[in-house]
Amino acid sequence: QVQLQESGPGLVKPSGTLSLTCAVSGDSISSSNWWSWVRQPPGKTLEWIGQVDHGGSINYNPSLKSRVTVSVDKSKNQFFLKLSSVTAADTAVYYCARNPNFDWNAFDIWGQGTMVTVSS
Amino acid sequence: EIVLTQSPGTLSLSPGERATLSCRASQSVNSAFVAWYQQKPGQAPRLLIYGASNRATGIPDRFSGGGSGTDFTLTISRLEPEDFGVYYCQRYGSSPLTFGGGTKVEIK
Repeated sequence: QVQLQESGPGLVKPSGTLSLTCAVSGDSISSSNWWSWVRQPPGKTLEWIGQVDHGGSINYNPSLKSRVTVSVDKSKNQFFLKLSSVTAADTAVYYCARNPNFDWNAFDIWGQGTMVTVSS
Repeated sequence: EIVLTQSPGTLSLSPGERATLSCRASQSVNSAFVAWYQQKPGQAPRLLIYGASNRATGIPDRFSGGGSGTDFTLTISRLEPEDFGVYYCQRYGSSPLTFGGGTKVEIK
């Protein structure tokens, strides 16, 4: 059974950097799948942030590209999100999710999500 | 960027009734790349439909999807109590991956 688990600080100061980790179990991050980050502000819809594969190939949402870094650690079976220069608008539940087999696929497995609040 | 508009915003129905949810794209979308998700309060989304009409693993056959071009639908033939929540359509296949605004299905 494939499971994804997000972790990281729940509170980030404005202008700071949001950093999250997604731990993958039940699947190898070195498989043919891609690994994404998706966020959802309170009461709003979902927004895809970016994705990475095991080789470090990366795709970003153009709307966030200047502030986002997604990376992977195959040895730990984890992938990561960094979002810089955060503001209150970045307050959201952040999910990690799997794109099976190719980069632009739908999301078949999701983590439970982690709430991140941007506030001083 | 292709924008997905879902309607209605809220659907109030009773268990056993049929639900029809709409997703309209701002330009034509390859039906091979349309998905639907269900989200319940405090939970992550769950993939229901991919390729516009294919049920994901473990999804009951009361859920069906269809459509082509710019208009896609998700139908729940007979609502069960566990079907109430918010439903999102998604376009995939190229960058960026985008979602509709959601339709809330609530108990009447």
